[in-house]
Amino acid sequence: NAGVTQTPKFQVLKTGQSMTLQCAQDMNHEYMSWYRQDPGMGLRLIHYSVGAGITDQGEVPNGYNVSRSTTEDFPLRLLSAAPSQTSVYFCASSYSWGAGYGYTFGSGTRLTVV
Amino acid sequence: TQLLEQSPQFLSIQEGENLTVYCNSSSVFSSLQWYRQEPGEGPVLLVTVVTGGEVKKLKRLTFQFGDARKDSSLHITAAQTGDTGLYLCAGRNSGYALNFGKGTSLLVTP
Repeated sequence: NAGVTQTPKFQVLKTGQSMTLQCAQDMNHEYMSWYRQDPGMGLRLIHYSVGAGITDQGEVPNGYNVSRSTTEDFPLRLLSAAPSQTSVYFCASSYSWGAGYGYTFGSGTRLTVV
Repeated sequence: TQLLEQSPQFLSIQEGENLTVYCNSSSVFSSLQWYRQEPGEGPVLLVTVVTGGEVKKLKRLTFQFGDARKDSSLHITAAQTGDTGLYLCAGRNSGYALNFGKGTSLLVTP
């Protein structure tokens, strides 16, 4: 089925460890983004990409890196995990970043940093 | 970051009742979207509105975009238990980012 696939679904990390959250879409969407969702804070944008080779920072980029070498994949790297990065992470894609286009979200990765 | 305020934050109603949730901002948006999120899942797009004053209907759900494109409302007629979820509004301005409100958590009981 076409959509956005995120892996893993759950992850527990120790403080200081690094890891990569995977995101892949098979809809040939140009725009991809990463959000984190925390209680009382809503969805906050971490990084986004308007096309292969082009990325930029969102509202809360510190501690995270991204790259976009292909249209399909947009991995999110945690460089040195901290308890403050405990959250649910969502990857989203859109055909374009233009006004009329909605997002397709993945089912999320629940990350706990201990 | 343009702030989107959603109200109410929580809403608990019985099946068959009507309800309205609101999304307000001091900023003008080029478009506004509504999503519904169920526990353990990602948000799912319900509607996109782009024209001031626009009204869209999706079965029992009616969405309205304010004339000044700063606010929106979602009205549900005769709510059903399947309407339970977190309703999120999201606005896009001239930039690349989609800014989300914190959501309205709706519980519909039998």
